[in-house]
Formats: sequence, structure tokens, C-alpha cells
Amino acid sequence: EVQLVESGGGLVQPGGSLRLSCAASGFTFSSYEMNWVRQAPGKGLEWVSYISSSGSTIYYADSVKGRFTISRDNAKNSLYLQMNSLRAEDTAVYYCARGAASMDVWGQGTTVTVSS
Amino acid sequence: DIQMTQSPSSLSASVGDRVTITCQASQDISNYLNWYQQKPGKAPKLLIYDASNLETGVPSRFSGSGSGTDFTFTISSLQPEDIATYYCQQYDNLPRITFGQGTRLEIK
Repeated sequence: EVQLVESGGGLVQPGGSLRLSCAASGFTFSSYEMNWVRQAPGKGLEWVSYISSSGSTIYYADSVKGRFTISRDNAKNSLYLQMNSLRAEDTAVYYCARGAASMDVWGQGTTVTVSS
Repeated sequence: DIQMTQSPSSLSASVGDRVTITCQASQDISNYLNWYQQKPGKAPKLLIYDASNLETGVPSRFSGSGSGTDFTFTISSLQPEDIATYYCQQYDNLPRITFGQGTRLEIK
């Protein structure tokens, strides 16, 4: 079964850090571009970051640039999002999703809450 | 950034009704548009890609059309399980994709 499973979310104080992980299974992870997409409570979907299949090309939304770092380990079939200098407005469910243009597989999401 | 404007933001319809949602792009995006369904507490699900192509396994009552700046998503006969929020998403400016604000669909 093709699957993505996120982990690493939680409650963190403003200015703190978290590292999200996304474990892939059931497909050749190293062949696929990947994205992180987030959804603030009661709000719509917001693209966060993109990484190419090899990891050589990376992009970020302006809202997280300089604070978040996307990476992947193809040997471990895993995608990561290192989040630093977290702000209240980063509170959201974070999804990893397969694909660049059309995201055809999504994880169940992991919740990040930034609050004191 | 390319802005995507969906309308309506919410709608209520009866089982069996034909439902239409529109999405307008702030610039020409050719057919680089997808539609997703998101049920409460769940991840989004890809329904339509490249504006009009049905994703494998998606019921044929769902369809999409349009090109350029104006796009339409249609459910030909609304079913109770179609209650969800629907999002359009452009990918003309890869990888900087953007989503519409969503349309919440309820049963009347």
C-alpha cells in the first residue's frame, strides 16, 4: 500500500524548534518530488516547501524562508522539515505530499501548535 | 504569486443536485489546475488533474473543465458522501503552487 506517515508534531513555545518526519512506503520514494503543505485551524491549504527527487533543488514559501529547512534521506525513504524560530502563525496541521504539480498521495498530517 | 479565487465559499445543495464550483486564476495558467476534496479531519484527495482529467478511482460524477483563467468543477448528482471542502490548485508556477480558498459543500 502506498503510504505517507508524518510524525514529530507537538506543542512548542514561540521561538522554539521542531523537526517533522514523513515516512514513505509502498513506492519508490527516491523517484518522486515531495512537498510540505500546511493548514492552519479552520483555514485553507498553504504550500510550505518543495524538494526534488534527488534533494538537489529546494524551494520555500516566503512565509517560512530562512526559518524552515526541508531535506530527505532516500536510503531511509524519509522526508523531513526542520522548523526553527517558530511563530504563533505557524500553528497548523502539516502534511507531506507526493508529487510536484499534482499531489496524488498525502499523509494523515501532524499537528504543530506554537503557544506559550 | 498567482492568486486563485474560488466561488462560492460555501454552498448547500440537495442529494441528486448538480453542483458547480468555479475557480479563477489571476493570470493565464493554461490547463495547469487540479481539484482536491477534503473531508473533515482528513487529508486532501486529488480528484481532477490538468483541469479535466479524472484521477484513477474517482467516481465519474466528478468532472472539471476550463483553461486560461476560468475553471469549473462539477458534481453531476450530489451524493451524501460528497460532503467536503473542495480546493482548486494551480501549478503554472512550479514548484510554487497555490490553492484557492476552498468551497465548503453541505447537504440541504
